[in-house]
Amino acid sequence: ETGVTQTPRHLVMGMTNKKSLKCEQHLGHNAMYWYKQSAKKPLELMFVYSLEERVENNSVPSRFSPECPNSSHLFLHLHTLQPEDSALYLCASSQGTGHYEQYFGPGTRLTVT
Amino acid sequence: AQSVTQLGSHVSVSEGALVLLRCNYSSSVPPYLFWYVQYPNQGLQLLLKYTSAATLVKGINGFEAEFKKSETSFHLTKPSAHMSDAAEYFCAVRLNNNDMRFGAGTRLTVKP
Repeated sequence: ETGVTQTPRHLVMGMTNKKSLKCEQHLGHNAMYWYKQSAKKPLELMFVYSLEERVENNSVPSRFSPECPNSSHLFLHLHTLQPEDSALYLCASSQGTGHYEQYFGPGTRLTVT
Repeated sequence: AQSVTQLGSHVSVSEGALVLLRCNYSSSVPPYLFWYVQYPNQGLQLLLKYTSAATLVKGINGFEAEFKKSETSFHLTKPSAHMSDAAEYFCAVRLNNNDMRFGAGTRLTVKP
C-alpha cells in the first residue's frame, strides 16, 4: 500500500453504536489530521496530531475521540453519534506542520441512522 | 479573520476551452496557498502550492495558478479543458502551523 489509506470506506451505524475509523499513512510523515466533509459545507478540520501529540482540537464534540498510537496510524473512535454526523471523514498526513502540503486518504463515508 | 473564498460554486466549460477557477484569500501574514482536486468517491489530491518562491505556480495535469498579492487572489487556470478535468476543486490557505482553511469548493463540469 502506498500513500494514505482509510478503513472502512463505508460505515452505517446506529446512534447507540460504537465504531472506529482507521487511517494509515505510508509516507513517513510526522503529522496527521482528521477532517469532516459535509455536503454544501467547506472541509472542517477536526483534529491535528504532530509527532503523536494532539496539537489542535477545533471544538469537536466529545462523541468523537481521536487516538494516535504512532506516527503512521490515526484512529477516530465514534460513540452515540447523531444523524447530523453523517458525512465523509477524511484523514490526511503531512511531513510536518507549517507550510507542508497535506496528502489525503479516500475517506470513510459515514451514515448515522 | 483569515479565510479563503471561492467565487462560483459551479463552473461549466466546453471541452478545449479555458478553465478559470477563482480564489481570493485574506491573511495577515504572507500565506501558503494550495489548490486541491477531488474526484467522485475519492479524497483530495494536491494540484499545486504557493510558498512564496515564484508567483506563477505550475501544477499537475496542465493546471497553473498565479499569486497576486495586490488582488489577494490565487486563481487556477488551464488553457484547454479535458473531459477528465470534471471534478470538485478546492482552494486552501495555511493559517498557521496547525490549521489549513479550505474554500467551499467549485464543481467543474466539462461539456463535450
